[in-house]
Amino acid sequence: QSVLTQPPSVSAAPGQKVTISCSGSSSNIGNNYVSWYQQLPGTAPKLLIYDNNKRPSGIPDRFSGSKSGTSATLGITGLQTGDEADYYCGTWDSSLSAYWVFGGGTKLTVL
Amino acid sequence: QITLKESGPTLVKPTQTLTLTCTFSGFSLSTSGVGVGWIRQPPGKALEWLALIYWNDDKRYSPSLKSRLTITKDTSKNQVVLTMTNMDPVDTATYYCAHSLTGTTFDPWGQGTLVTVSS
Repeated sequence: QSVLTQPPSVSAAPGQKVTISCSGSSSNIGNNYVSWYQQLPGTAPKLLIYDNNKRPSGIPDRFSGSKSGTSATLGITGLQTGDEADYYCGTWDSSLSAYWVFGGGTKLTVL
Repeated sequence: QITLKESGPTLVKPTQTLTLTCTFSGFSLSTSGVGVGWIRQPPGKALEWLALIYWNDDKRYSPSLKSRLTITKDTSKNQVVLTMTNMDPVDTATYYCAHSLTGTTFDPWGQGTLVTVSS
């Protein structure tokens, strides 16, 4: 059971938009930057979004991030079949000593 | 270009100690703000963060695994070593190392190495 809660799965048709939520608390999301990672099947995770809403170079603007209070959201527009992957949110948690936490992951299916 | 690669045994026996090495290039672990983290992923399951070491030798560990983990760095060799004691079959996973800047992101990641714990 992760400290950060994500829906196990989401789905949408090609060209549509989807959002993935990441819910936490004041000890993690509420007071720290959130990053998002995409893991395509059989590959290592890749950074998609950092500092809540910034995109690394090379990440298309179809991917966006936002944060409000103790929740964060990843948005993907213009869905492509190549976006089918697992998506993870992550941030620091300072409830005990500072440690990093990942969400449980969300499987995106592009129908 | 930053690259990282994990190396170590693919099979360990229960109760043994696992030692994994992350060899990297394209950055220095003596540069302010830089860190290297370890993350694992059991087959078909979610990512689990294990540990992070910073350029100044500050170390952070997962609270649930802290008693079993040790992370060290060798700046001259561009390597970070993770040891995990008392291995159990539930520790079977792909182990990744990743570059971290200011501790707020993990980017990029190594390709990962699958470690199986079995007698």
